[in-house]
Amino acid sequence: DTAVSQTPKYLVTQMGNDKSIKCEQNLGHDTMYWYKQDSKKFLKIMFSYNNKELIINETVPNRFSPKSPDKAHLNLHINSLELGDSAVYFCASSQVPGNTEAFFGQGTRLTVV
Amino acid sequence: AQSVTQLDSHVSVSEGTPVLLRCNYSSSYSPSLFWYVQHPNKGLQLLLKYTSAATLVKGINGFEAEFKKSETSFHLTKPSAHMSDAAEYFCVVSSYSSASKIIFGSGTRLSIRP
Repeated sequence: DTAVSQTPKYLVTQMGNDKSIKCEQNLGHDTMYWYKQDSKKFLKIMFSYNNKELIINETVPNRFSPKSPDKAHLNLHINSLELGDSAVYFCASSQVPGNTEAFFGQGTRLTVV
Repeated sequence: AQSVTQLDSHVSVSEGTPVLLRCNYSSSYSPSLFWYVQHPNKGLQLLLKYTSAATLVKGINGFEAEFKKSETSFHLTKPSAHMSDAAEYFCVVSSYSSASKIIFGSGTRLSIRP
C-alpha cells in the first residue's frame, strides 16, 4: 500500500490551461504539505494544512490554490499555467506539524509548453 | 526562524571510501533534524532522523549522523561508499511551533567513482 500517493505522475500542458494534482495519504496523519522542486533540485514549501486548515501559505502566486476536502487529501489546483510553473511538485504528510518526519509522494513532474 | 545549510553542492568519492556530507542548521526552537535521499527521478526517502534522543543516529543503508549542538551541525557519514549511494541528499530541519515548517537544505549531489 502506498502511504502518500499523487496523481498524475507526469503532466504536460499548454500555457494558460488550468490543471489539478491530487494527493492522498493513508497514514492517518493530521498534516499535509505541498513542495515545489525546481530544476536545481531546491525544495521549497508552498502550503501546509493541519486537520483541513491552512497553516502555512508561502509566497506563492494566487493562481495556486490548495484544497483539503478531508484530512487524508490535499489537492493542488493551478490556474493559468505559466512556463515558470514547470517543476516537480511533491506532496507530503506528517503526524503533526513539525518535529516529525514527513512522508513524501513520488512527485508530479509538471511541464508547461 | 529556521534554516539549514548544506556546505557542499557536490561530493565525489571512490567506491569503498568514506562519505561525509556536511549540514549546519539554525533554529529558534529545539530542532528535529533529518536526512532524506532522492535517487534520480524518484521521490524522497527518509535516511535517518534526530529528535532529541541519542545524538548519534543510525539510519538505513549504513548511514549515520551526529547531532552536535555546540557546532550546530548534523553531518551525514558512511564508512564505505557503494555505487548505489549515488543520489541527491537533503538535510532537513523542523520544529513544533506556530509556524511549523519542514525546511530543506539546497541538497548535495553524491557521485561515486568506480
